[in-house]
Amino acid sequence: DTAVSQTPKYLVTQMGNDKSIKCEQNLGHDTMYWYKQDSKKFLKIMFSYNNKELIINETVPNRFSPKSPDKAHLNLHINSLELGDSAVYFCASSQERTRVTGELFFGEGSRLTVL
Amino acid sequence: AQSVAQPEDQVNVAEGNPLTVKCTYSVSGNPYLFWYVQYPNRGLQFLLKYITGDNLVKGSYGFEAEFNKSQTSFHLKKPSALVSDSALYFCAVRDYGGSQGNLIFGKGTKLSVKP
Repeated sequence: DTAVSQTPKYLVTQMGNDKSIKCEQNLGHDTMYWYKQDSKKFLKIMFSYNNKELIINETVPNRFSPKSPDKAHLNLHINSLELGDSAVYFCASSQERTRVTGELFFGEGSRLTVL
Repeated sequence: AQSVAQPEDQVNVAEGNPLTVKCTYSVSGNPYLFWYVQYPNRGLQFLLKYITGDNLVKGSYGFEAEFNKSQTSFHLKKPSALVSDSALYFCAVRDYGGSQGNLIFGKGTKLSVKP
């Protein structure tokens, strides 16, 4: 079983549309993250979330919103897509009690292309 | 704020030769450092980490890293490179300040191992 799984793997859509990317982890972790990897492969944290708090990177537009139905899932909703949103989005998870010292486990990524 | 720097965009090595991928860090407290590898069209995989203790850390696939506090470095090494080691390598540091433990990544170094 894949530890952190994301769907869809590829997503092609038009500007202005609204789309979602789903993430599920079966590791029993209680903290999940979304990272954005741009065309230059630079990775940037977007959100981190556990059942207590959502921490948002202040540079992330409010068109992006994470939604967590339970601690095993953290979905990413994007409204009014723009060309600059084209990137690979990675979901990750970790254990809250080792948040500082523990490693993150990443999904395979979801490549979003906005036309 | 915590940060890491990877000074080389690309490292080229012949198979069988030793390899080094450089990383320097800047932190305001104790450094918690990580190395990840990303193969093409895949997610990030954890290689190793330094939290405390021995300065030489051993990790997956024969990789090791040396923590050097005086030089604020955490270089990734392998005694004998394989063609299959060709990938993108990321150094990362925990941001345990305002972002409460998110991983902050370097820009990545592309490792190319030629037969």
